[in-house]
Amino acid sequence: DTQMTQSPSSLSASVGDRVTITCQASQSVSSHLNWYQQKLGKAPKLLIYAASSLQSGVPSRFSGSGSGTDFTLTISSLQPEDFATYYCQQSYTTPVTFGQGTKLEIK
Amino acid sequence: EVQLVESGGGLVQPGGSLRLSCAASGFTFSSYWMTWVRQAPGKGLEWVANIKRDGSEKYYMDSVKGRFTISRDNVKNSLYLQMNSLSAEDSALYYCARVTVAGVFNYYYMDVWGTGAMVTVSS
Repeated sequence: DTQMTQSPSSLSASVGDRVTITCQASQSVSSHLNWYQQKLGKAPKLLIYAASSLQSGVPSRFSGSGSGTDFTLTISSLQPEDFATYYCQQSYTTPVTFGQGTKLEIK
Repeated sequence: EVQLVESGGGLVQPGGSLRLSCAASGFTFSSYWMTWVRQAPGKGLEWVANIKRDGSEKYYMDSVKGRFTISRDNVKNSLYLQMNSLSAEDSALYYCARVTVAGVFNYYYMDVWGTGAMVTVSS
């Protein structure tokens, strides 16, 4: 199985900050990497697919980059509604696997 | 409105069975792969199984192979997960999700999610 490792596991930041979350795959997943946001008690929401494509309706302050084994999710200017847990997920190999999550908290 | 609604969750004893359903609306159900993803309380997301548009291909995570069966009814616009021989490790919130496969390189992503059905395995 392809292991996905996110860092950091948790992060404290302030409104307006620029935040970067990284995701590393144990083997190449090409650009088959997606990012999801999950708020407490809610279902996950797709933010980024194919490493860098913004899902329709997602604010442009979210961006993704990377290919192969190393990927990043960047939030350019944190808004209050962005405090949540973020997951990366590879879909290059079966089984599909998720990172362990990065919890983004208010400083 | 595009929507997925799960049902069938509940409390079951170890070794028991449960069948989850997911009712889809607002999109052409038969045009999409579908998947089940679970989340144990306080834990991360874990893919469970997926099924091709016409039901001809099915894939499972190793720990549920032989115990869980994913199926669909494209007339009823419904997805199912039959779960047998349940153990405490299967206790989780089970989400159904729509899968979009797009582009020349068949990028696969879960773009619509239900609200989840809670399964608790306990004596």
